[in-house]
Amino acid sequence: EVQLVESGGGLVQPGGSLRLSCVASGFKFSNYWMNWVRQAPGKGLEWVASIKTDGSEKYYVDSVKGRFTISRDNAKNSLYLQMSSLRAEDTAVYYCASNTNGWGQGTMVAVSS
Amino acid sequence: EIVLTQSPGTLSLSPGERATLSCRASQSVSNTYLGWYQQKPGQAPRLLIYAASRRATGIPDRFSGSGSGTDFTLTISRLEPEDFAVYYCQQYSSSSCTFGQGTKVEIK
Repeated sequence: EVQLVESGGGLVQPGGSLRLSCVASGFKFSNYWMNWVRQAPGKGLEWVASIKTDGSEKYYVDSVKGRFTISRDNAKNSLYLQMSSLRAEDTAVYYCASNTNGWGQGTMVAVSS
Repeated sequence: EIVLTQSPGTLSLSPGERATLSCRASQSVSNTYLGWYQQKPGQAPRLLIYAASRRATGIPDRFSGSGSGTDFTLTISRLEPEDFAVYYCQQYSSSSCTFGQGTKVEIK
């Protein structure tokens, strides 16, 4: 059974940092591109970042470029999102996602003073 | 950026009826990179279809996907009570990904 389990969310002040983690199981993690997708309260889905199987290519939505960094550790079946200079508009549930294997349950990030 | 437009915004149907959801892209999308998701209130999106027509693991065969180029369709052959939810289409290339705005399937 495929499982993606996110952690690391929480309440942070504007300008602060947070690191999200995702542990995958039930599929060959190192064979798949992975993504972070977010959903602001009451809104639709927004892709945030993607990373190639070996980590050699990374892509971001314009609104997070220079502030967020996606990374992975295939030995640990883990995906990460380092978020810095956080803004109120980054408040959302963040999902770890595989386009062909499924998504995690999400972790909430709230940016507020 | 490829924009995905879903229609209708809301679909009001009764259990047992057929649901047809549309997803139109602003430019051609490879079939390999088109997916459909179901989301219920308070839950994470659930992958239904990937590569335009391939059902994800554990998805009932009443769900089917079709289409190519710029026009894609999700069909639910006979609505079950648990199928009333919001549905999103998604396209992904190697360098980006976009979602449609969603279609809500509600009980009539």
